[in-house]
Amino acid sequence: DTGVSQNPRHKITKRGQNVTFRCDPISEHNRLYWYRQTLGQGPEFLTYFQNEAQLEKSRLLSDRFSAERPKGSFSTLEIQRTEQGDSAMYLCASIDASLSGGAGNTQYFGPGTRLTVL
Amino acid sequence: AQSVTQLGSHVSVSEGALVLLRCNYSSSVPPYLFWYVQYPNQGLQLLLKYTTGATLVKGINGFEAEFKKSETSFHLTKPSAHMSDAAEYFCAVSDAGGYQKVTFGIGTKLQVIP
Repeated sequence: DTGVSQNPRHKITKRGQNVTFRCDPISEHNRLYWYRQTLGQGPEFLTYFQNEAQLEKSRLLSDRFSAERPKGSFSTLEIQRTEQGDSAMYLCASIDASLSGGAGNTQYFGPGTRLTVL
Repeated sequence: AQSVTQLGSHVSVSEGALVLLRCNYSSSVPPYLFWYVQYPNQGLQLLLKYTTGATLVKGINGFEAEFKKSETSFHLTKPSAHMSDAAEYFCAVSDAGGYQKVTFGIGTKLQVIP
């Protein structure tokens, strides 16, 4: 078990370009979450998956954002036509929701992908 | 709806002094409460959590927190600060059922003065 991994760790892009981030959760974790963290703020929920199904999307997730988890394992988050306001740290977390009680409520976070839009 | 209020965006303590980081929560259902720590340019690491049972929770690195339902608080403490404790700390809440979405506070940056 190597923990949650995210790639790339850093991404610098020009406004208007598309970017894609990848998250590999802890193996056998059936739920995967995406958060966005801007400077000086706590992480804010974007969306989450139960296996391959996307079950909720935050209003923060505009039409330019899309997330997938095609085989219920890794997930991708794509931002189209990036804007400077998209600059943030994008965090991924996973849990094994089949565990009861507190064990099923601990989200394990990856190191994040820091996006800078110029 | 759930929310978390962290009092004090910046806290400074001397090395060896008591660390106290304040957190109050709001939740319409029994909450699960968490403290996470974040070092620069890194993800979040779980320090401790309260789900059910004992209200005094011990975590890693000598930290502990007490769930006080009557005060809707979950303050984080450590008896003696160490230089390596300098980081940002986030209090968070999720509902005990549902899909366990976590709502975070804005964070408290802890500075430890030698």
